[in-house]
Amino acid sequence: QVQLVQSGAEVKKPGASVKVSCEASGYTFSDYYIQWVRQAPGQGLESMGWINPNSGGTNYVQNFQDRVTMTRDMSLSTAYMELSRLTSDDTAVYYCGRGGKGRTGMVDYWGQGTLVTVSS
Amino acid sequence: DFQMTQSPSSLSASVGDRVTITCRASQGIGKYLAWYQQKPGKVPTVLIYDASTLQSGVPSRFSGSASGTDFSLTISSLQPEDVATYYCQKYNGAPLTFGGGTKVEIK
Repeated sequence: QVQLVQSGAEVKKPGASVKVSCEASGYTFSDYYIQWVRQAPGQGLESMGWINPNSGGTNYVQNFQDRVTMTRDMSLSTAYMELSRLTSDDTAVYYCGRGGKGRTGMVDYWGQGTLVTVSS
Repeated sequence: DFQMTQSPSSLSASVGDRVTITCRASQGIGKYLAWYQQKPGKVPTVLIYDASTLQSGVPSRFSGSASGTDFSLTISSLQPEDVATYYCQKYNGAPLTFGGGTKVEIK
């Protein structure tokens, strides 16, 4: 069965960086895009961008363009999302999702979410 | 900039009521819209994709439709287990914008 398993909760200080992992299983990792979505406490879903595991190509939402890096390790079937220069506004649950075979698509499987807390 | 306007932001309806949520895209997106349900404290799940295709395992009381840049999610007969927040998302390319969400409660 398809599963996306994310790394555990993180507490970071303002100005630091965080790297969240998303390990995929149950399907061919290279076939499907991985989207990253975040949700601040009590707020809606916010797209951050995606990575095409096959090519490594990425697309980042403008709001995060200069602070986010999405990568993947094909040998581990794992995608990563690193967010730098954290502020309290980055406190949120970060989700990875399998989205689209060979192109952007709806997210049919989600990771369990990773809570990132930014606090001094 | 692309905008996805979802309405209403919240609604309260009785069990058995027909409920409709809409998303309006600021530009044409074809059929490339999905609807998600997120129950409190849970991960989102997809209900509808390609504007009107029901995801496997989703109850048939959920349906989606499209007219130009206007998209609708309808629950034909609201059930207590449908209490959740619903989001639309377009996926025809960057940015993969979500609507603001609609919180559905039982009256």
